[in-house]
Amino acid sequence: AQSVAQPEDQVNVAEGNPLTVKCTYSVSGNPYLFWYVQYPNRGLQFLLKYITGDNLVKGSYGFEAEFNKSQTSFHLKKPSALVSDSALYFCAVRVPNTNAGKSTFGDGTTLTVKP
Amino acid sequence: SAVISQKPSRDICQRGTSLTIQCQVDSQVTMMFWYRQQPGQSLTLIATANQGSEATYESGFVIDKFPISRPNLTFSTLTVSNMSPEDSSIYLCSVEGGAGTEAFFGQGTRLTVV
Repeated sequence: AQSVAQPEDQVNVAEGNPLTVKCTYSVSGNPYLFWYVQYPNRGLQFLLKYITGDNLVKGSYGFEAEFNKSQTSFHLKKPSALVSDSALYFCAVRVPNTNAGKSTFGDGTTLTVKP
Repeated sequence: SAVISQKPSRDICQRGTSLTIQCQVDSQVTMMFWYRQQPGQSLTLIATANQGSEATYESGFVIDKFPISRPNLTFSTLTVSNMSPEDSSIYLCSVEGGAGTEAFFGQGTRLTVV
């Protein structure tokens, strides 16, 4: 079985400060890892993914994430937060040819960036 | 990438009635997924819809309550039947193109049952 944990329901940061949204996973096999963002009253939007290769991946809106296999983590980061980054963030994992191709999503982390 | 048009975007329905939600994708996809989400909460997978076969339902969801159609590779519907206030939620459709590709989501349908 595959699972994703986002240990923080809420992350609060001041504008201009760095932000980190944590994600750990548990799978059998090599994972594909994803981050999605959901703004109020909207569907989920893709931010970035790790498939293979460089452990540091860069995505939309200045976000990046680092795949750490030994710690089974894929934390989302941004060097300088914006108020407009305030949203609900989901980490997801998928393992090819397992779980009928379905992704497993974390419970989500609400990021609030204060001016 | 894939663009998904989902409708209606919101509806207020009387208990005991049914609502059909439509998702149209701008490209052919094998798998489509239907999720339920309480506002600000996580996604709960209802079922996986593949063209040409019956949908596969997750534990706690049954076909009589959530019938799904998948007539072709670009379209699917989810019906919420015999609604009760507990069915009030956001319903999302999603597609995943294949190994290594991200998921794409419709804008969601915010359903309120009164």
